[in-house]
Amino acid sequence: AQSVTQLDSHVSVSEGTPVLLRCNYSSSYSPSLFWYVQHPNKGLQLLLKYTSAATLVKGINGFEAEFKKSETSFHLTKPSAHMSDAAEYFCVVSDPQAGTALIFGKGTTLSVSS
Amino acid sequence: DTAVSQTPKYLVTQMGNDKSIKCEQNLGHDTMYWYKQDSKKFLKIMFSYNNKELIINETVPNRFSPKSPDKAHLNLHINSLELGDSAVYFCASSQVDEQFFGPGTRLTVL
Repeated sequence: AQSVTQLDSHVSVSEGTPVLLRCNYSSSYSPSLFWYVQHPNKGLQLLLKYTSAATLVKGINGFEAEFKKSETSFHLTKPSAHMSDAAEYFCVVSDPQAGTALIFGKGTTLSVSS
Repeated sequence: DTAVSQTPKYLVTQMGNDKSIKCEQNLGHDTMYWYKQDSKKFLKIMFSYNNKELIINETVPNRFSPKSPDKAHLNLHINSLELGDSAVYFCASSQVDEQFFGPGTRLTVL
C-alpha cells in the first residue's frame, strides 16, 4: 500500500527566509506525487505534481519540489517565504490500485511571521 | 465558470436527520470523488465514481450513499446523522492524474 509521511506537523519561518516542508513516501509502484495547499477555510489548490518526468518540479507561487527516489522523498521548498504562504500543506500520493484516488499526508501547518 | 461546485457550503443539522450534499463539475471529467476532512484536517477518500459507476468505496458506514445521476454530478446522501459525521466534505473530479477540488461543505451535527 502507498502512504506519505509529512515529517513536521508545524513549521514556522520569518518572511523572506527559505521554506522547507518535508515529505517521505512509500510506494510499490512508480508514484505520482503532489503538493496541495489549503488556506484557512478554503478548498484545496494544487501547488505542483510529479508524474515521472523531470525530478525537479516547479509549481505556482515560487514553490518547487524534488523527487528523490533513493531517499523516497518529495520535499517542498521556496527560497523566500511570503506572509500569504501561511496555510496548511499536504503531500499526496496517488494509488493506482485504487483507481486514481489520492492518499493524503497529515498536513504541515506553515506559519510566517513578519 | 466554477470548475467543481458544492452546495451547500455550510450545513448545520440535528442528530438523526437525513441530509444531502450536491456536487457538480463542468470540466468534462470522467471520475469524481468524495473526501472527508476531520477536525485534525486529515483528508481521506470516501468514494470514487467513474462514468457513473462506483469504483472505490472505502470503509464508510452505509448511512452514507453516493448517487451519480450523470457524469457531471456526484451527490452524497447521509442518513441518520451522528455527531461524528461533523467534518468538511470535499468533492473532486479528475481526468488523468490531477484532481480538482470543490470548495468544501462544512457539516456540523448538533
